[in-house]
Amino acid sequence: DTGVSQNPRHKITKRGQNVTFRCDPISEHNRLYWYRQTLGQGPEFLTYFQNEAQLEKSRLLSDRFSAERPKGSFSTLEIQRTEQGDSAMYLCASSLGQGGSYEQYFGPGTRLTVT
Amino acid sequence: AQKITQTQPGMFVQEKEAVTLDCTYDTSDPSYGLFWYKQPSSGEMIFLIYQGSYDQQNATEGRYSLNFQKARKSANLVISASQLGDSAMYFCAMREEYRGISGNTPLVFGKGTRLSVIA
Repeated sequence: DTGVSQNPRHKITKRGQNVTFRCDPISEHNRLYWYRQTLGQGPEFLTYFQNEAQLEKSRLLSDRFSAERPKGSFSTLEIQRTEQGDSAMYLCASSLGQGGSYEQYFGPGTRLTVT
Repeated sequence: AQKITQTQPGMFVQEKEAVTLDCTYDTSDPSYGLFWYKQPSSGEMIFLIYQGSYDQQNATEGRYSLNFQKARKSANLVISASQLGDSAMYFCAMREEYRGISGNTPLVFGKGTRLSVIA
């Protein structure tokens, strides 16, 4: 399978705990994006990378959130001191940086439930 | 700021019929790209079709076509010959406004339209 993969698919955690999600993009894609999707809404941008460089962070990304892409391949998204409002689907996508096709390819998502 | 508006929360269509899902957008960028994605109940976002703002012809991909009306700022998705497997959420999206970073940038999504295909 050469698509975008995300782990875990589901995560249930108690409020105040830390969680970490992983995303493995399509191997030749140098851009990687994180989105959050709450019930009844479209995905909202959180942050994105060009190789290992973080290009932009949304104002939705509070200081409890941190994302890394240390070697320009997989990425991790960590949420510290989780709150019930963090419950959502976290989607990862990847694309080429420039040229060629424009679309972003999405992974299956990680559904986070904070109790 | 950019905005994508999808005014149809839900749509029903008979199998084998065509259906149009509406999307209007607002941007100050002279160059932009518009996308449609399908999200089945499994949750994964599936790319359907892309239209560039300078493309002369409407985009088509199999049973999907994009009715692009630039002056009206609309980018409606037309699905022909609907199938039961087309039942899903459909999202219209566009790239964020240029802020000094070239190439593929994050997407701004609408709230989606839930399509139900009836046998």
